[in-house]
Amino acid sequence: ETGVTQTPRHLVMGMTNKKSLKCEQHLGHNAMYWYKQSAKKPLELMFVYSLEERVENNSVPSRFSPECPNSSHLFLHLHTLQPEDSALYLCASSQVGTGGKNIQYFGAGTRLSVL
Amino acid sequence: GDSVTQMEGPVTLSEEAFLTINCTYTATGYPSLFWYVQYPGEGLQLLLKATKADDKGSNKGFEATYRKETTSFHLEKGSVQVSDSAVYFCALISTGANNLFFGTGTRLTVIP
Repeated sequence: ETGVTQTPRHLVMGMTNKKSLKCEQHLGHNAMYWYKQSAKKPLELMFVYSLEERVENNSVPSRFSPECPNSSHLFLHLHTLQPEDSALYLCASSQVGTGGKNIQYFGAGTRLSVL
Repeated sequence: GDSVTQMEGPVTLSEEAFLTINCTYTATGYPSLFWYVQYPGEGLQLLLKATKADDKGSNKGFEATYRKETTSFHLEKGSVQVSDSAVYFCALISTGANNLFFGTGTRLTVIP
């Protein structure tokens, strides 16, 4: 148990569906991240929220929409996805800024399959 | 830009064998270096870290030394166990940055 909880663990959706991934961290951190892990590719950073402000958006298609309502919760809203979006989506959190070590702690991930 | 190059796998070893997984990096300044491990069906767990040159990170019998002169952070373990079977990721983060840069991962299988 790393202190970062992701739900659901598995998700199957059609290309016309709308769904959301949820991440919750219990570590008191002030930054949260979404990563995409595809087979045979390095982990891709998608979004970074620091102090609830989005500070990074790595050219992610608009069919992925993040939301960070507070420092403990992070969502990834999905709509009209493509089959190539099938992957493991990982959430992470860290403490950044003065005194923070910026060590990222990861959740177990949501395995997404787009049909 | 920052990047990590990691030894490609898969790696298959017998129990109690010596393990080395190579990792080299490119970065401006003085990054912090990490090894993460991903067990089947799970997310990434921090295995060890080093934040400055010549630091040695260690955990669960694994070690890695931050070598600035060779820009390397090779992972080693003297005697692997079946339970060490997992995918290992080398990563770096530059000072003040948000991005963790990961290698492609090395799958290790340890057979009894």
